[in-house]
Amino acid sequence: NAGVTQTPKFQVLKTGQSMTLQCAQDMNHEYMSWYRQDPGMGLRLIHYSVGAGITDQGEVPNGYNVSRSTTEDFPLRLLSAAPSQTSVYFCASSYKGQGNYGYTFGSGTRLTVV
Amino acid sequence: AQKVTQAQTEISVVEKEDVTLDCVYETRDTTYYLFWYKQPPSGELVFLIRRNSFDEQNEISGRYSWNFQKSTSSFNFTITASQVVDSAVYFCALANDYKLSFGAGTTVTVRA
Repeated sequence: NAGVTQTPKFQVLKTGQSMTLQCAQDMNHEYMSWYRQDPGMGLRLIHYSVGAGITDQGEVPNGYNVSRSTTEDFPLRLLSAAPSQTSVYFCASSYKGQGNYGYTFGSGTRLTVV
Repeated sequence: AQKVTQAQTEISVVEKEDVTLDCVYETRDTTYYLFWYKQPPSGELVFLIRRNSFDEQNEISGRYSWNFQKSTSSFNFTITASQVVDSAVYFCALANDYKLSFGAGTTVTVRA
């Protein structure tokens, strides 16, 4: 059982380049989300999805796009990278059933934009 | 809107001391979930505890204990007899439905 898999673990981009951070889960969780972690600010929600074909914006969505074509995958796209997007990115999946809650996080992607 | 405040930015203790991490939250919802996560230097997020808004029972798990007080909107976390391996960033988080809101985190350094 792999849980939540994020790739790549590290990435360096030049300003203006585009790239996709991959996130896959094998737990059949309904909900998936992307967070960024910056020093002193905790984790902030970028985008989330409550199921295949459904996505919505979180707290800091600007500069990022997402799609959810399958239950398993939730990629995060940076269309034109900026130095302000230098951060650690975490993908999470979660379930909600009978009043119980569980979140599983990926191991993170450390992105540097130069 | 919901908000989580961890007023302590950094805490430094000597091994075997107890350390308490404060967490205060704001939400208008009656049903919500509270979490604590640990982030060691390796960077992954380690789940510690989950508590729902209807369960104010305090919990002890080994050297960890949690004090949930709905009246003061607080969910504090205590590490008893701290060890060097407890050095990490600790995050408190609040979930309403499927969105987690995190506090800024408290960096705990345990010195030998």
